Amino acid sequence: AQSVTQLDSQVPVFEEAPVELRCNYSSSVSVYLFWYVQYPNQGLQLLLKYLSGSTLVESINGFEAEFNKSQTSFHLRKPSVHISDTAEYFCALAPNYGGSQGNLIFGKGTKLSVKP
Amino acid sequence: DAGVIQSPRHEVTEMGQEVTLRCKPISGHDYLFWYRQTMMRGLELLIYFNNNVPIDDSGMPEDRFSAKMPNASFSTLKIQPSEPRDSAVYFCASSPPAAGINTEAFFGQGTRLTVV
Repeated sequence: AQSVTQLDSQVPVFEEAPVELRCNYSSSVSVYLFWYVQYPNQGLQLLLKYLSGSTLVESINGFEAEFNKSQTSFHLRKPSVHISDTAEYFCALAPNYGGSQGNLIFGKGTKLSVKP
Repeated sequence: DAGVIQSPRHEVTEMGQEVTLRCKPISGHDYLFWYRQTMMRGLELLIYFNNNVPIDDSGMPEDRFSAKMPNASFSTLKIQPSEPRDSAVYFCASSPPAAGINTEAFFGQGTRLTVV
């Protein structure tokens, strides 16, 4: 069985402060890992993904995540957050079996609230 | 492309009524996924199709739920009869053929279903 655990359901932080959203996963097979973001009343948008190669992956808006196989983690970080980063963030995995990466198992989500 | 298109965006219905949710995937994508999002259970995969054929429907909660994909550009999720516990946001997602490395899922805006 596979699972994703997001340890924090809510993370409040002040603008321009650093943030880390934690994600741990469990799987008996090789996986792809993703972070999706959901703004209020919107669908999910892919933020970044780890497929293979470099364990540090980055998004275009300053987020980064590091795949750590030994700790089965894929934590999301940003050195300085903006008000516009306020959203819910979902960590997810897809089994690496050569099929679609849309067959996802999601964590419960972390609500990031950035305060001025 | 306009992205994954879902309709309606909001649906309010009475218990016992039939509800049909609709999805148009991104052109050229041959995988289609139906997810359900609730406060209690988070995001769950209900069913997915490849080339219009249902591949895995193990997430469909009950026989009251059914999904079809009559062609590559249209899918429906039907609930008959609906119950208050079916109230949730239902997302449709699509992804490209599995031959490539970038086969991540693209999500629609969701349909918020309320059963009263």
